[in-house]
Amino acid sequence: AQSVTQPDIHITVSEGASLELRCNYSYGATPYLFWYVQSPGQGLQLLLKYFSGDTLVQGIKGFEAEFKRSQSSFNLRKPSVHWSDAAEYFCAVGAGSGGGADGLTFGKGTHLIIQP
Amino acid sequence: ETGVTQTPRHLVMGMTNKKSLKCEQHLGHNAMYWYKQSAKKPLELMFVYNFKEQTENNSVPSRFSPECPNSSHLFLHLHTLQPEDSALYLCASSHGLAGYVDTQYFGPGTRLTVL
Repeated sequence: AQSVTQPDIHITVSEGASLELRCNYSYGATPYLFWYVQSPGQGLQLLLKYFSGDTLVQGIKGFEAEFKRSQSSFNLRKPSVHWSDAAEYFCAVGAGSGGGADGLTFGKGTHLIIQP
Repeated sequence: ETGVTQTPRHLVMGMTNKKSLKCEQHLGHNAMYWYKQSAKKPLELMFVYNFKEQTENNSVPSRFSPECPNSSHLFLHLHTLQPEDSALYLCASSHGLAGYVDTQYFGPGTRLTVL
């Protein structure tokens, strides 16, 4: 079975500083990887996803993530954070059983705090 | 309405009540999902439907009963719940294409409190 680890429960970053959120996954085959963001009282919004091809993927709101197979990682980055980026960030992996509708396995999330 | 909608947004119920959560997707998708989000725990997959057929039940207690009358609507019927069932219940949908892990689009969730 697949699993996702987000080692940082909370991260505090100053506005304008760079950001990296860590995600490690466990899965035997090539994974389908996702980053979602959740603002308070809201559902999850997709930031970006990796299925295959270029290991550096670009997403919305200036985020990017890099898939590193050798490290089983899919870390999320942003060069300069804005106060509006304060939220909960979730990494998720999909197994791709072939049936066409597979639930995702999520990490516990990283709570991002932005300091003025 | 666009995307995935959920009603009600907030629900308070006693342990002996019966209530239902509703999810509707306006994206033309074929697969729908229920997830449970509890404090300090990862999102937990509960049920999956693809083309109205249940394809996954993740060992969910029988006090939770899903229903998918068509590809656009998904319900979660609740009865005799426990206080530990208090959580945010999220609905999601995806295309449901075979051999492919598609992006899931989430609704805003229903915040459930069981007294």
